Amino acid sequence: GAGVSQTPSNKVTEKGKYVELRCDPISGHTALYWYRQSLGQGPEFLIYFQGTGAADDSGLPNDRFFAVRPEGSVSTLKIQRTERGDSAVYLCASSLKGNTEAFFGQGTRLTVV
Amino acid sequence: AQKITQTQPGMFVQEKEAVTLDCTYDTSDPSYGLFWYKQPSSGEMIFLIYQGSYDQQNATEGRYSLNFQKARKSANLVISASQLGDSAMYFCAMRAGGTSYGKLTFGQGTILTVHP
Repeated sequence: GAGVSQTPSNKVTEKGKYVELRCDPISGHTALYWYRQSLGQGPEFLIYFQGTGAADDSGLPNDRFFAVRPEGSVSTLKIQRTERGDSAVYLCASSLKGNTEAFFGQGTRLTVV
Repeated sequence: AQKITQTQPGMFVQEKEAVTLDCTYDTSDPSYGLFWYKQPSSGEMIFLIYQGSYDQQNATEGRYSLNFQKARKSANLVISASQLGDSAMYFCAMRAGGTSYGKLTFGQGTILTVHP
């Protein structure tokens, strides 16, 4: 596609439920990143994929958060037993290996009620 | 650990004037990259400019320039000839390490408002 696509754009879920957030990176981009942005804050790193493998998952806050990228393209961020504190905008970005610039999607706004 | 500090929560500028957005950083890594992103109300992060730690010249991209002072660990963004469309949140970010990929550490952001 022309840019990084994230679906859904908005997600409202009840506390304790499971959610999946999808990211479709720019075609051919090998690196994919997930960030979380709370209101009025800068994005916080969650996880980074190079191809199919997670090269750095040091930002995942706890074991309720998990992300996959099985074919090295689309990635899914999975959150189990959601809590109200998980409410934020989840941003995905991708880049071509060897390039400095990362292109961001529009984000998924997750609200846990 | 890397840290980015943006001390200006909000800035105001008159249309057509220049404005400087401050950014200081902290890292023990000798090789790093510094980035500025613009985030309009639509939410998308738009890349503006990049400066590598070993670059001799300050980076420029159109109306954007990065005032890189390595000894002071500062990487201020200068926007010349401000336009109404420049009103947005601006983030400074850093990538440490010698690779051109990997996680970015972001600052808290500065909201810029351009007055007509």
